[in-house]
Amino acid sequence: EDKVVQSPLSLVVHEGDTVTLNCSYEVTNFRSLLWYKQEKKAPTFLFMLTSSGIEKKSGRLSSILDKKELFSILNITATQTGDSAIYLCAQISSGSARQLTFGSGTQLTVLP
Amino acid sequence: GAVVSQHPSWVICKSGTSVKIECRSLDFQATTMFWYRQFPKQSLMLMATSNEGSKATYEQGVEKDKFLINHASLTLSTLTVTSAHPEDSSFYICSAAKGAGTDTQYFGPGTRLTVL
Repeated sequence: EDKVVQSPLSLVVHEGDTVTLNCSYEVTNFRSLLWYKQEKKAPTFLFMLTSSGIEKKSGRLSSILDKKELFSILNITATQTGDSAIYLCAQISSGSARQLTFGSGTQLTVLP
Repeated sequence: GAVVSQHPSWVICKSGTSVKIECRSLDFQATTMFWYRQFPKQSLMLMATSNEGSKATYEQGVEKDKFLINHASLTLSTLTVTSAHPEDSSFYICSAAKGAGTDTQYFGPGTRLTVL
């Protein structure tokens, strides 16, 4: 059974700090790993990763995938209070009709 | 863009009644849409995969007769919760993949269902 594990489950930091969120997965026939940010409503797409070692970057957020060690990290630099959210990691396996298997999420709280 | 809408955003109903939730891809066609359920402080759980013009594929443990899914067009999928009970109260979210060759899914804003 495909499985996605995120850590830590929750994290409290102060503005300006840098955080690293972790996502490990066990999946048969891995295809893609996706990161989402969820605030009060539905998740918003951040990154999709399919290849190892290639960093994806968007502003202060970046993410990378290690297909050998089966994990991904999401980095947020110079955090702001607006970064407070649940960050979800999900994976898609080949032949799964693009169904996402989500991790439990990391609740990030950024204090002023 | 890739905008997915849901309607209604919030619904309260009496136990035993049915509720229909609509999911629309506004600026793209989606042959496949997905329905998720999320309980407080928990992650999203896939309920079913909705394919345009064919029957939905339900995840294990999801009652197909209770959660009726119809994907009548490339931009609309509906989820009907039949004979709703308080334990069906949850946050229901749909998503759609933009194009057959991409895994990126875009989520609707969700529907908060409260069954009294």
